[in-house]
Formats: sequence, C-alpha cells, structure tokens
Amino acid sequence: NAGVTQTPKFRVLKTGQSMTLLCAQDMNHEYMYWYRQDPGMGLRLIHYSVGEGTTAKGEVPDGYNVSRLKKQNFLLGLESAAPSQTSVYFCASSYGRGADGYTFGSGTRLTVV
Amino acid sequence: LAKTTQPISMDSYEGQEVNITCSHNNIATNDYITWYQQFPSQGPRFIIQGYKTKVTNEVASLFIPADRKSSTLSLPRVSLSDTAVYYCLVGDTGNQFYFGTGTSLTVIP
Repeated sequence: NAGVTQTPKFRVLKTGQSMTLLCAQDMNHEYMYWYRQDPGMGLRLIHYSVGEGTTAKGEVPDGYNVSRLKKQNFLLGLESAAPSQTSVYFCASSYGRGADGYTFGSGTRLTVV
Repeated sequence: LAKTTQPISMDSYEGQEVNITCSHNNIATNDYITWYQQFPSQGPRFIIQGYKTKVTNEVASLFIPADRKSSTLSLPRVSLSDTAVYYCLVGDTGNQFYFGTGTSLTVIP
C-alpha cells in the first residue's frame, strides 16, 4: 500500500516554463489537496478536490491550475513558472472531511530560476 | 478559516515531558482539535484528535479545558526523534483546515 505518491520529487524550472506535478493515491479517498510550504510560512492550501471531476480554490490559488479526471489522481499545473513559486509542494488525501484523516505525500521540491 | 496561535519554537532536553499549548479563542461548538507532526523533508502526519477533556494514545496526550479556547499537546519523555514541527488544527467537517506555522520543537541531548 503506497499511500500518497508524488511525482517528481525534485525539479528545476526556468522562469516561464510550464510543468505538471502528479499526485496519486491508492486509498480510494474522496478528497485531495495541494499545499505549498515555504520557510516560515507553514503549509498553505492551493487547491483541493472533494471528488472526481471537482476542484476548488484554496488560500493561494493564483498561478496554479488543477485537474481531477480520475479519483486516484490530482494534478497541479504551473502554466508559466515564476521564482515566487519556488517551494515544497505537498499533496494530501482524505476519506472524509475530518482533520484526522489527512495522508500526505513526501513532497516535491520545486526551484524556479 | 479557524485560526490558531502556537509558540514559534521550543527547546527541551531528552527525557523531559513537553507541553505545547495552542490558543483557539474562536472555536465553534462542533469543532474538533487535531495535532499533526512534521519531520524535515516529510509531509505532516496525524498525532491525536480531541473534542473536550483529555485524550491519550500511544504517542501523546491532549488536554482540553472546559471552555475549549485552548489545548495542550503533551509528549511524555521526549527523545531526539521527536524533534519536529507540531501543528494545531481546529475545525469541523467541511472546513479548510489551517495549518499555520506550527511549533518547531528541538530536543537537546
């Protein structure tokens, strides 16, 4: 049972390039989330999904897009990367909406130069 | 979003009991209090959750006073491996849970 798997683990992008971060979960969870973590800022919610085919904005959605075409996958896209998007990105999933149910991935470290 | 206030950092010696207090003055009637632990280069993981009074599991205890405006995570006899960031979350189902900056605990040999 792999839990939540994030791909890739590390990436360096040039300003203006695009990329997609993949999150896959094998726990049949309904809810999936993308967070970013910056030094001294804690975790901030970017986008989330409450089920296949749904997405919603979180606290810091600007510059990102997401898609949930399959229940097990949640994709985070950067259309035109900026240095301000240098961060560690965490994906999480949960069966229900309760705070005790979050399972996090190991993170993707993204650097935009 | 239900917000919380925690100390930014704490130090403790190995073997001591550590208490981390979280303030949540605007907690609602249906809100639960949940704590997560995050090690460097890993995602957060669930530690404990409670609604009122005291909850204990194999890892920690959670103390919640009657007014529920604060809560205290207690880690008994900490070891070096307990060095991590600890997050207090408050909310009910349907909330976007706010992780905040957490409390960075450093355990000293």
